Amino acid sequence: AQKITQTQPGMFVQEKEAVTLDCTYDTSDQSYGLFWYKQPSSGEMIFLIYQGSYDEQNATEGRYSLNFQKARKSANLVISASQLGDSAMYFCAMRGVSGGSNYKLTFGKGTLLTVNP
Amino acid sequence: NAGVTQTPKFRVLKTGQSMTLLCAQDMNHEYMYWYRQDPGMGLRLIHYSVGEGTTAKGEVPDGYNVSRLKKQNFLLGLESAAPSQTSVYFCASGTGASISETQYFGPGTRLLVL
Repeated sequence: AQKITQTQPGMFVQEKEAVTLDCTYDTSDQSYGLFWYKQPSSGEMIFLIYQGSYDEQNATEGRYSLNFQKARKSANLVISASQLGDSAMYFCAMRGVSGGSNYKLTFGKGTLLTVNP
Repeated sequence: NAGVTQTPKFRVLKTGQSMTLLCAQDMNHEYMYWYRQDPGMGLRLIHYSVGEGTTAKGEVPDGYNVSRLKKQNFLLGLESAAPSQTSVYFCASGTGASISETQYFGPGTRLLVL
């Protein structure tokens, strides 16, 4: 079974500052993928960034980077230079390969980020 | 290219009524999924399909049925709605068994069961 834990129900950050959203995971799979999604107040799910378990480099996509620490089973999302439009719910998710789970994403409960002007 | 669409966007039901949520994708994806999102719970998988004519149970399948008669469509049915099924329902699709592949989500359907 796979489990994603996001321990921060809500986070606040000042505009233009960086913020880290925490994500820890649990899996017995050797090969797995980690995803971050953004859900603004309008409700749609927006894919942000992906990290594979065998990727040696931390993933980056523009202002988003993923701080992947495999030994600690953590995959924290770092948003640099926060903007007001970054205010949203953020979900961490993973996909493994065991037990037929390679088709499915397991989601955390999310972190609500508020960017203050 | 519309991506993933969901019908309806919002619906109010009375307890015991039935309804069908429709998901359509135009990306020729084999895999389709239905999730529900509840406050503080994230997204939980209800049912999924790995191809036309196939369906399988997810994490929270009770009270729901699904059908995949056409590759592009995935229907979610509630035979006898209960207040516990008040939720936001998301459909998603994807190409298949690649770990790195993201899923493409529809805009969601808000369902209120009174």
